[in-house]
Amino acid sequence: DAKTTQPPSMDCAEGRAANLPCNHSTISGNEYVYWYRQIHSQGPQYIIHGLKNNETNEMASLIITEDRKSSTLILPHATLRDTAVYYCIVQAFSGSARQLTFGSGTQLTVLP
Amino acid sequence: EAQVTQNPRYLITVTGKKLTVTCSQNMNHEYMSWYRQDPGLGLRQIYYSMNVEVTDKGDVPEGYKVSRKEKRNFPLILESPSPNQTSLYFCASSADRAIRELFFGEGSRLTVL
Repeated sequence: DAKTTQPPSMDCAEGRAANLPCNHSTISGNEYVYWYRQIHSQGPQYIIHGLKNNETNEMASLIITEDRKSSTLILPHATLRDTAVYYCIVQAFSGSARQLTFGSGTQLTVLP
Repeated sequence: EAQVTQNPRYLITVTGKKLTVTCSQNMNHEYMSWYRQDPGLGLRQIYYSMNVEVTDKGDVPEGYKVSRKEKRNFPLILESPSPNQTSLYFCASSADRAIRELFFGEGSRLTVL
């Protein structure tokens, strides 16, 4: 069973905030939420991750609900270069972790 | 500049002709991994390595080999390529075994005729 659920596609106007939702209702207490993006067949790029507190870096903000069952990635001022597939991943920090498992993600299209 | 470098970026080959896709990282990362990406199937892990001389199978290892003789290099070997190995391949690395942040290469697009 998939650990995360994301809408397959979204549009956003250039210059506006892009809010990408992710449901992870079965998340465990020791699992983090990661976000990556992949721009047209390039290698995926790490964006941000968090456990339960909201996080912000130079690329984006991550808002995690209090019950941790869902989260939202916010790109505050989307540009055309933000058009990409965005992956929400749930994974525990572990010294024996094998991989990050990528689902199908959300295709974000930023419109001029 | 911190990076993961793959070569070749593009390759067309024929069935049965052995080939190697190289992967090198300059960040002294312990963890390295290979993924393949196919339409409708997403990213699937082929092999991974937790450190030098430590490798293990991922979800789709059949038809592939890897080695980790040096920390920086993690080549992917196709001993006898077949058309079903036509795919986009990505190498990735992480500073530690917890895989907190994966750094990906730019990808190698392989076509097997």
